[in-house]
Amino acid sequence: DAEITQSPRHKITETGRQVTLACHQTWNHNNMFWYRQDLGHGLRLIHYSYGVQDTNKGEVSDGYSVSRSNTEDLPLTLESAASSQTSVYFCASSDNREGADTQYFGPGTRLTVL
Amino acid sequence: GESVGLHLPTLSVQEGDNSIINCAYSNSASDYFIWYKQESGKGPQFIIDIRSNMDKRQGQRVTVLLNKTVKHLSLQIAATQPGDSAVYFCAEREGAQKLVFGQGTRLTINP
Repeated sequence: DAEITQSPRHKITETGRQVTLACHQTWNHNNMFWYRQDLGHGLRLIHYSYGVQDTNKGEVSDGYSVSRSNTEDLPLTLESAASSQTSVYFCASSDNREGADTQYFGPGTRLTVL
Repeated sequence: GESVGLHLPTLSVQEGDNSIINCAYSNSASDYFIWYKQESGKGPQFIIDIRSNMDKRQGQRVTVLLNKTVKHLSLQIAATQPGDSAVYFCAEREGAQKLVFGQGTRLTINP
């Protein structure tokens, strides 16, 4: 079955280290998204991509970067992890066909920055 | 599992009763709305959606109502079951596939 996966599911790192969170989907969706979820803020958009080689900044993009070299993957990189980036991170994907608007979410990655 | 919010609005209902979860959205130009369910330790799961040219849409045990005049969205769950316990989010599409999420409501089912 087609799905969207994230790895690792849990990660503990130290301030200043570079961290990369993986997201892989097998639906062949063109659109992929990264969100973070924090107490009191709900889901906030970090970066998104509408296709290979396309990336866009979301609401809370500072300190994060993404790259889209193929349809299936959108890795999220924290260049220099900060304690404020401790959060649960969700990846999502959606099709860009007319009428296909629903975003499907992965299981999440809990990141702790010490 | 992960905690999605310790200070969320909470709705408690008796098992078997109907639940109504409300959401106010912000952008009058939004043309598409979704309800998601999130259980502890899991990602948001699609429940039902509605486009702005509709007022009501029904699914299995769920109904979404849209009132564009007052920018209000509601999710009705019929005959709630223990498995319905979760946090429920509404989301609006503000442009080209981008969704903006509400804060969420925690639904608790009492036996």
